[in-house]
Amino acid sequence: DQQVKQNSPSLSVQEGRISILNCDYTNSMFDYFLWYKKYPAEGPTFLISISSIKDKNEDGRFTVFLNKSAKHLSLHIVPSQPGDSAVYFCAASVRGSSNTGKLIFGQGTTLQVKP
Amino acid sequence: GAVVSQHPSRVICKSGTSVKIECRSLDFQATTMFWYRQFPKKSLMLMATSNEGSKATYEQGVEKDKFLINHASLTLSTLTVTSAHPEDSSFYICSARDVHSGYTFGSGTRLTVV
Repeated sequence: DQQVKQNSPSLSVQEGRISILNCDYTNSMFDYFLWYKKYPAEGPTFLISISSIKDKNEDGRFTVFLNKSAKHLSLHIVPSQPGDSAVYFCAASVRGSSNTGKLIFGQGTTLQVKP
Repeated sequence: GAVVSQHPSRVICKSGTSVKIECRSLDFQATTMFWYRQFPKKSLMLMATSNEGSKATYEQGVEKDKFLINHASLTLSTLTVTSAHPEDSSFYICSARDVHSGYTFGSGTRLTVV
């Protein structure tokens, strides 16, 4: 049962344009969402997160949008740069009272930004 | 920010042997750490939640007797792959959560069983 889904395995964008990465989830208990960037043979690097009480969070070139009714979130990167080329993972958690919520990851989307 | 060190980064072992992977939180204490496994071109799959001073919580389908987890201190969790088989070859990643920095991941361990 894939609770977090990234249906696009890959995305190719021209440098300077906007990259939009999408993520859907099924578990309505998720209350915290994160995006990670990952290079081969390395651990994921945190990019940006959003709590379920918000619908938008922005950090520099990265903006995450959350649509709770649709159980959908997206990561916008603008302008895209060649250095952004990597695999992007969407993750979700239920933070709960213990505050140690495990992360459930999507399958990842490989972004290629062409110069 | 918070740093998680994972060691070794690569290991090759023979079938039937055991391999231990270490995960350390360098500048913070982590009562909970997480172990993930990534298959080629696949998602990061949560294997288990490691709790300091108590038994780990394993995800469905993960054999606890095969993947032994020990979290003996607030800065160290270990994953031991016992009686390794070629199908255990994978990329293993640990993560620890810091109240200030959120989730921080180790750099991963590439295990190859020959």
